[in-house]
Amino acid sequence: AQTVTQSQPEMSVQEAETVTLSCTYDTSESDYYLFWYKQPPSRQMILVIRQEAYKQQNATENRFSVNFQKAAKSFSLKISDSQLGDAAMYFCAYRIPNYGGSQGNLIFGKGTKLSVKP
Amino acid sequence: DTAVSQTPKYLVTQMGNDKSIKCEQNLGHDTMYWYKQDSKKFLKIMFSYNNKELIINETVPNRFSPKSPDKAHLNLHINSLELGDSAVYFCASSQGGQVFSNQPQHFGDGTRLSIL
Repeated sequence: AQTVTQSQPEMSVQEAETVTLSCTYDTSESDYYLFWYKQPPSRQMILVIRQEAYKQQNATENRFSVNFQKAAKSFSLKISDSQLGDAAMYFCAYRIPNYGGSQGNLIFGKGTKLSVKP
Repeated sequence: DTAVSQTPKYLVTQMGNDKSIKCEQNLGHDTMYWYKQDSKKFLKIMFSYNNKELIINETVPNRFSPKSPDKAHLNLHINSLELGDSAVYFCASSQGGQVFSNQPQHFGDGTRLSIL
């Protein structure tokens, strides 16, 4: 069974600084997808960034980027120039392709609570 | 023009009651999901459903049942509510098919269920 591990329950960063949230996963699949979701106190689940396992290039979205190491099964999220609005729970999630009986549900890590200090 | 909407946002009820949570998506997606987020914020899949197949997480009690009147709706019915059912329940949707596998799921805002 696939599992996702986020080893940092809480992290803290100074405003304008850079922080990296770690995520590792376990799978025997070669084709899969990885996501980072953000959940602010408002409870919404907001997609931050996604990565296809077959792509070697690390995904980037503005201040957010990932370090995807397929062999190590690692998928960390880097937030540059941290802003107060980045304070939230961050969830790493794994998904297998939609075929062979899969409907593509997400498997989540337990989350990392990020605090941003002014 | 909310993409995935859930009602109600909050639900407070007594143990033993039966309740429903409604979910609607206007994205034209063919696959919908229910996730449960417990008090420690852990999110876990309960059900996934498209117009052909319902996949149930084996750990979900049979007091929980999803019902889909059409492709845009997947409601969650819960019978004989227990204290341990207190959680936030999220509905989500995505487009099925292998070519859409990289597309993210879109989530509703969640329903906080509190059992007294």
